[in-house]
Amino acid sequence: KQEVTQIPAALSVPEGENLVLNCSFTDSAIYNLQWFRQDPGKGLTSLLLIQSSQREQTSGRLNASLDKSSGRSTLYIAASQPGDSATYLCASRTSGTYKYIFGTGTRLKVLA
Amino acid sequence: DVKVTQSSRYLVKRTGEKVFLECVQDMDHENMFWYRQDPGLGLRLIYFSYDVKMKEKGDIPEGYSVSREKKERFSLILESASTNQTSMYLCASSLRLGLGPGELFFGEGSRLTVL
Repeated sequence: KQEVTQIPAALSVPEGENLVLNCSFTDSAIYNLQWFRQDPGKGLTSLLLIQSSQREQTSGRLNASLDKSSGRSTLYIAASQPGDSATYLCASRTSGTYKYIFGTGTRLKVLA
Repeated sequence: DVKVTQSSRYLVKRTGEKVFLECVQDMDHENMFWYRQDPGLGLRLIYFSYDVKMKEKGDIPEGYSVSREKKERFSLILESASTNQTSMYLCASSLRLGLGPGELFFGEGSRLTVL
């Protein structure tokens, strides 16, 4: 059974710092891995999706990587800004199923 | 721009009331999902639907039912609301299995409080 873990649960960094958020999964038979952002009281906004055949995806200051062999994905945020403060969640979709398994998220605070 | 719309952002209901949460997507997606999100428990799947009138139970279907009469609309029904159903409810959609990268799109969420 797939399990997705995000450590740490919370992180505070000063503005301008580059940072890495981690996502670990136990079953490498994934169809894709998706990173989301969630602001307080809101829904999830899709940031990046990496298909199982890909190693990384980039969008602006964000870069997500996927290493199926080690069961890890990272989300790199360059030059962090206070507006990046939010909870970041990862989710994997198991191959051959409709099911997405979510991590419990990392709550990021970027201090001005 | 892709869009998943949940009709109610905030609802307050009384124990025993019947509650309808509506979700509409404009992306012609086959798959639609209902999750609930609670602090410390993350997102848990209640039900999903892979086609009109088709549904499958998720991890926590007890106390809930769903309806999908049209492709774009997926409704979550609480037949008799209870206080332990106070939660954030999130609707999502995606293309059918094997078609496209499988990206999941969410609505803004519906915060339900049951008194």
